[in-house]
Amino acid sequence: KAGVTQTPRYLIKTRGQQVTLSCSPISGHRSVSWYQQTPGQGLQFLFEYFSETQRNKGNFPGRFSGRQFSNSRSEMNVSTLELGDSALYLCASSGEGRAYNEQFFGPGTRLTVL
Amino acid sequence: QQQVKQSPQSLIVQKGGISIINCAYENTAFDYFPWYQQFPGKGPALLIAIRPDVSEKKEGRFTISFNKSAKQFSLHIMDSQPGDSATYFCAASISLGGATNKLIFGTGTLLAVQP
Repeated sequence: KAGVTQTPRYLIKTRGQQVTLSCSPISGHRSVSWYQQTPGQGLQFLFEYFSETQRNKGNFPGRFSGRQFSNSRSEMNVSTLELGDSALYLCASSGEGRAYNEQFFGPGTRLTVL
Repeated sequence: QQQVKQSPQSLIVQKGGISIINCAYENTAFDYFPWYQQFPGKGPALLIAIRPDVSEKKEGRFTISFNKSAKQFSLHIMDSQPGDSATYFCAASISLGGATNKLIFGTGTLLAVQP
């Protein structure tokens, strides 16, 4: 099976702009989670989607949003970018049944805000 | 209560030695404890995971030891190799019977295995 794919891999934006990141989960996986990784804060949970519904959300401002499509692909959007949004954004997918906890991460999208 | 504390921050081990990384948690509702390995420029890769109903799980050179009463768990890498040099993260989640997969991560341990 192909792994989790994320596009684009690198992005450079300026403050005030908005950005959309895309994630394609492993085939058959319906749960997609997003995480932000920074040197200062580490890995932090953003939100999780399952069957097009957000079922959990982390402590991030409303500028961070996401959605999931019927094919389980997911996007996250960050509006009004701030310098502190520079980070590696990781997407993870998981299956169901006994493997529902096993999350597999993509390579991430490196976002730089200037 | 949602934190997972990881130590040490960095670790240097000789080739062939044992690497040990420790994590501690407070929330007894956590019911899934994975370890991830991350190389520079890559996403975290799931190494091994354990649930609270067992005290130890071994997969190849990697072993998780779990102490429910002390609320601690650790990763042991036997016969450490230079290729194991990476950052390791412990994590925990409250799965609520599959209702969510939110992971709380430790702060990471940078492991360097010297040849």
